[in-house]
Amino acid sequence: NAGVMQNPRHLVRRRGQEARLRCSPMKGHSHVYWYRQLPEEGLKFMVYLQKENIIDESGMPKERFSAEFPKEGPSILRIQQVVRGDSAAYFCASARDRVPMNTEAFFGQGTRLTVV
Amino acid sequence: DAKTTQPNSMESNEEEPVHLPCNHSTISGTDYIHWYRQLPSQGPEYVIHGLTSNVNNRMASLAIAEDRKSSTLILHRATLRDAAVYYCILRDPLTGTASKLTFGTGTRLQVTL
Repeated sequence: NAGVMQNPRHLVRRRGQEARLRCSPMKGHSHVYWYRQLPEEGLKFMVYLQKENIIDESGMPKERFSAEFPKEGPSILRIQQVVRGDSAAYFCASARDRVPMNTEAFFGQGTRLTVV
Repeated sequence: DAKTTQPNSMESNEEEPVHLPCNHSTISGTDYIHWYRQLPSQGPEYVIHGLTSNVNNRMASLAIAEDRKSSTLILHRATLRDAAVYYCILRDPLTGTASKLTFGTGTRLQVTL
């Protein structure tokens, strides 16, 4: 059973471009969480999605950021018109049930976004 | 979410036990205690969780105080591969739509030869 797959692992974008980060949850998992980690800082929750629904986007910046988890295919975190401050590691986690019911979340290896 | 307090950093020698403390004096009766760790340049990984009783798994043990206001993650024999940031997280599975792991600053564990 493959773990949570994130791609690309590294992404370089120029200021003003769009960044699309993909996350394929573990098989059988329908709950996806996105986190952002700025250099030398902790993990900050961004958004929680179930298939075709955004459940909690309280950590998402109001502009330029969006997320989706379609019925088919991976979850996508989209950042429009990137700025240098968006440079960070973005981690996706998946879970079988709503975290943190009596279950664990599985994290991917992350996508490291660098904006130049 | 109830707040947790952990030391910023700890050091251990390889092959020795490590006790990582976590204080959570405002824990509620339904809060689960979760531990995750993040190795350098990797995503967090689950370590262990518990509610009231002490818990053991292949990675670690979790000792929970009788009043549940503190807990300790125990690595029985630290190895260099255990060097990571360890996060103690409380969550109540009954709190409606709020359903996420909230990471604090954690404890950075250094393991030396």
